[in-house]
Amino acid sequence: QVQLQESGPGLVKPSETLSLTCTVSGGSINNYYWSWIRQPPGKGLEWIGYIYNSGRTNYNPSLKSRVTISVDTSKNQFSLKLSSVSAADTAVYYCARVEAVAGTLDPWGQGTLVTVSS
Amino acid sequence: DIQMTQSPSSLSASVGDRVTITCRASQSISGYLNWYQQKPGKAPKFLIYAASSLQSGVPSRFSGSGSGTDFTLTISSLQPEDFATYYCQQSYTTPYSFGQGTKLEIK
Repeated sequence: QVQLQESGPGLVKPSETLSLTCTVSGGSINNYYWSWIRQPPGKGLEWIGYIYNSGRTNYNPSLKSRVTISVDTSKNQFSLKLSSVSAADTAVYYCARVEAVAGTLDPWGQGTLVTVSS
Repeated sequence: DIQMTQSPSSLSASVGDRVTITCRASQSISGYLNWYQQKPGKAPKFLIYAASSLQSGVPSRFSGSGSGTDFTLTISSLQPEDFATYYCQQSYTTPYSFGQGTKLEIK
């Protein structure tokens, strides 16, 4: 079955850019939407945005000015960049597949903790 | 943006109990409501879609109902593995949004 795995630095300095990659295995990245979600320690879930394999994106307006999601179909990967980070961006970042009609998120990656600190 | 509000925020119950968690949307979302279960240190697990449809492999003791703005998740007979945090999510429109979570604890 399809599995997702996040990768990237676990520590980012304030004002710098957070960069994460999600690698999709066990299936093709084509013909699906793919999403990023984050969860600050001890808090709830926040949807960041999604991308289709064509490159079409949809971002949460609360983060839109700082977020870029891109896709590399040749590597079966999609990526997240979040610029000008602050401590408020410290969170576990998850990637997930989006079912286009119902808008459900499944499966999810295991998540990766990114800490913003100098 | 659509705000999702869950109640209660936490709940203590015993094995075998029947529990109900409520999720309310700030505007009508038709039936575009999904439920997830999250255990500590783990990614959320998808349970229910379209308010009442059980994902394959999810035990039948889980059920969902509702439409419009008011939805419920019911666990008919709690099992030890059900103690977790539950989140609702609206997929009616973007930005997708989640409830704040309901932590189900052992009494």
